[in-house]
Amino acid sequence: GENVEQHPSTLSVQEGDSAVIKCTYSDSASNYFPWYKQELGKRPQLIIDIRSNVGEKKDQRIAVTLNKTAKHFSLHITETQPEDSAVYFCAASLAGRRALTFGSGTRLQVQP
Amino acid sequence: DAGVTQSPTHLIKTRGQHVTLRCSPISGHKSVSWYQQVLGQGPQFIFQYYEKEERGRGNFPDRFSARQFPNYSSELNVNALLLGDSALYLCASIWGRERDTQYFGPGTRLTVL
Repeated sequence: GENVEQHPSTLSVQEGDSAVIKCTYSDSASNYFPWYKQELGKRPQLIIDIRSNVGEKKDQRIAVTLNKTAKHFSLHITETQPEDSAVYFCAASLAGRRALTFGSGTRLQVQP
Repeated sequence: DAGVTQSPTHLIKTRGQHVTLRCSPISGHKSVSWYQQVLGQGPQFIFQYYEKEERGRGNFPDRFSARQFPNYSSELNVNALLLGDSALYLCASIWGRERDTQYFGPGTRLTVL
């Protein structure tokens, strides 16, 4: 089955700096890659997603890039703010199955 | 995602008991998935239902079962509870032509003593 690895496990940045979280996936058939933000005690919230026919997608301060050849994708957050502090999960969906396989999460802390 | 509802919010059970968790998807969504999230880990896929039929099953024992009703709401049942079943159980309402965009509900926190 699909395996998703996520790095780093923790990330601390200063307010205003950029943050990058990276994920690799094992199954080349995967074609959907969402990112979720989960604050303490709350539900995972979909923040951005990308499909395999696109290499990059942006939404304001958030962007995701996908390298199908290398089987990795990354989340980029620019101009970080304290409210960006949370655990971020990447996930991959196997084409035709649609069950999400999640990474282990990255705890992002933005220092004011 | 605010439209996905789950009940109850918290539940405490003892080993060997049975539990039923409930989920209502966003209006217009016909597919739901269930995930288990153990503290400190990412969610793990349990089941997916579309149009009341099981469309996928994760690597969970037969003690776990689910069903979807004509109004697209869903139930997750867990029999013979073990301490290791303690987790946050998340329901996702699924949208999109590819049926892959998933919006999570608030979850049910299950504690097994």
